[in-house]
Amino acid sequence: DTGVSQDPRHKITKRGQNVTFRCDPISEHNRLYWYRQTLGQGPEFLTYFQNEAQLEKSRLLSDRFSAERPKGSFSTLEIQRTEQGDSAMYLCASSSSLGVNTEAFFGQGTRLTVV
Amino acid sequence: DQQVKQNSPSLSVQEGRISILNCDYTNSMFDYFLWYKKYPAEGPTFLISISSIKDKNEDGRFTVFLNKSAKHLSLHIVPSQPGDSAVYFCAASVSNTNAGKSTFGDGTTLTVKP
Repeated sequence: DTGVSQDPRHKITKRGQNVTFRCDPISEHNRLYWYRQTLGQGPEFLTYFQNEAQLEKSRLLSDRFSAERPKGSFSTLEIQRTEQGDSAMYLCASSSSLGVNTEAFFGQGTRLTVV
Repeated sequence: DQQVKQNSPSLSVQEGRISILNCDYTNSMFDYFLWYKKYPAEGPTFLISISSIKDKNEDGRFTVFLNKSAKHLSLHIVPSQPGDSAVYFCAASVSNTNAGKSTFGDGTTLTVKP
């Protein structure tokens, strides 16, 4: 297992278009997180799944954002009707709920630019 | 209202000396604290953590200190090496059982000069 994988690495889209990002977590991890990071700031929590259940969503996750993890493995994050303010790095992370080490393992992120 | 603050955006130290990165938090519900390191074009990587029941945790050259009454933690790197040059994020979680869900500071860029 090579770690958390995100696709694509970069996405440029026009304002108003829909975009979808994919995240493949570390295979033995049952938790998956989405974060957003803008320039000069730290990652901000968006949502997380335990297996296929979405357990928490941040108020940052507007109605235009939706995340799924249909089989408890990979996850997708969709942004509808993108706005320039959506331009950011979208980070996916995974962790295990078992044992004492529950810290997040991050992917390299998807950089979204809305023009 | 930023709950985790790293007040120094950058820090420059000489190779071999000590690097001290600081972090303050405001939410008393935070119970578990982590430091992540980030190189350009990579995601953050977990470095070290500390539970609120401890005041110190050490892992090789890295030591994290927690002052719960002051709501302050610091990361000490001794000795600093050029490969330590990166952005360091302080993060806080309400539970060590779900540390993947954390509130992050804005980071401190550490530069270690040879």
